[in-house]
Amino acid sequence: EDKVVQSPLSLVVHEGDTVTLNCSYEVTNFRSLLWYKQEKKAPTFLFMLTSSGIEKKSGRLSSILDKKELSSILNITATQTGDSAIYLCAVPSGAGSYQLTFGKGTKLSVIP
Amino acid sequence: NAGVTQTPKFQVLKTGQSMTLQCAQDMNHNSMYWYRQDPGMGLRLIYYSASEGTTDKGEVPNGYNVSRLNKREFSLRLESAAPSQTSVYFCASSAWPPGQGVSEQFFGPGTRLTVL
Repeated sequence: EDKVVQSPLSLVVHEGDTVTLNCSYEVTNFRSLLWYKQEKKAPTFLFMLTSSGIEKKSGRLSSILDKKELSSILNITATQTGDSAIYLCAVPSGAGSYQLTFGKGTKLSVIP
Repeated sequence: NAGVTQTPKFQVLKTGQSMTLQCAQDMNHNSMYWYRQDPGMGLRLIYYSASEGTTDKGEVPNGYNVSRLNKREFSLRLESAAPSQTSVYFCASSAWPPGQGVSEQFFGPGTRLTVL
């Protein structure tokens, strides 16, 4: 059974800190790994990492895929209160990889 | 473009009542999904539709039925609601053509359902 494990489950930091969120996966046929940010409502897409694109960056957020270790990290530098959210990691799974298997998420709280 | 829309936003049911959650997307996506999200459990797939005319069970299908009405619309029905179905329900869609590549899923705003 495909599995995604995120750590830590929750994290509280001060504005300006740098944080690293972890995601490890076990999947039969790896295709990609996706990161989402969920504030009050729907998850919104951040990054997709694949074998041909193991590192992505957007502003203060960056993510790296380690296929050898079957894991990924999401880094956020100079955190702001607006970064407070649940960060979800997911991998395509199942026959045809139509489904996404999600981790339980990391709840990040950034305090002023 | 509205993206993925869901109705209703909130609903309270009594045990045994039935209801249908509606979802529509205007991105011409092939695949659509229904998830539930419970505290500490993450997002769990209920049903999905890889393309118009097909539906398949996900991780937690018991107590639910779905209909892929056309390419745009995918509904989720609770025939006899139970308190264990109290949750937030998200619909999602992706451009994922069958057997080709990988694309991200776009989520609707969610429906908060309470079953008393």
